[in-house]
Amino acid sequence: SAVISQKPSRDICQRGTSLTIQCQVDSQVTMMFWYRQQPGQSLTLIATANQGSEATYESGFVIDKFPISRPNLTFSTLTVSNMSPEDSSIYLCSVEVGTSGRTSQFFGPGTRLTVL
Amino acid sequence: GESVGLHLPTLSVQEGDNSIINCAYSNSASDYFIWYKQESGKGPQFIIDIRSNMDKRQGQRVTVLLNKTVKHLSLQIAATQPGDSAVYFCAETGANSKLTFGKGITLSVRP
Repeated sequence: SAVISQKPSRDICQRGTSLTIQCQVDSQVTMMFWYRQQPGQSLTLIATANQGSEATYESGFVIDKFPISRPNLTFSTLTVSNMSPEDSSIYLCSVEVGTSGRTSQFFGPGTRLTVL
Repeated sequence: GESVGLHLPTLSVQEGDNSIINCAYSNSASDYFIWYKQESGKGPQFIIDIRSNMDKRQGQRVTVLLNKTVKHLSLQIAATQPGDSAVYFCAETGANSKLTFGKGITLSVRP
């Protein structure tokens, strides 16, 4: 497994502002993922962030709204830009751990974002 | 499109009883399945996984069953405890490592 931390754990923000969420892993990992979990809902993948390449975004998510950085194998950031109340969600990072043919994804504790 | 879904939104069980949480998936190309437990205010916690070349896998007090013929996945929790109260998600993936999550089911354990 992996120990994953996120900062901040929660925040309340005004509409129109931006928030950058940090994800730190205690070991080097190739694949990191960012998810959104809206209130009472399941998890939806925003993008895949691999070190050394541009993030790959899922349908409905764009880089201008959710820019991602992946400067090294233990760290990533997700920015929620120009926020609106609809962006109020839990944002989670996850990492893929394991060897070829036997990998699993482990999640951070999440960042609970409220946009007023 | 392809989807993973759960049959029931909530499940209430008596402490000490066995719990069975069911999940249907529709992507026949999925070859890896995971059950996660999410407690209030926390991120999903890995419980147990199973690959498509297996039909049963056991962990500590948990068993996952996979029926590829009907695309059905279940999680069995033996001797359910109050600490098992949480939302449970099934997830599936294929070669691209992208997880698709089911809707989630709330397990409530009655004392």
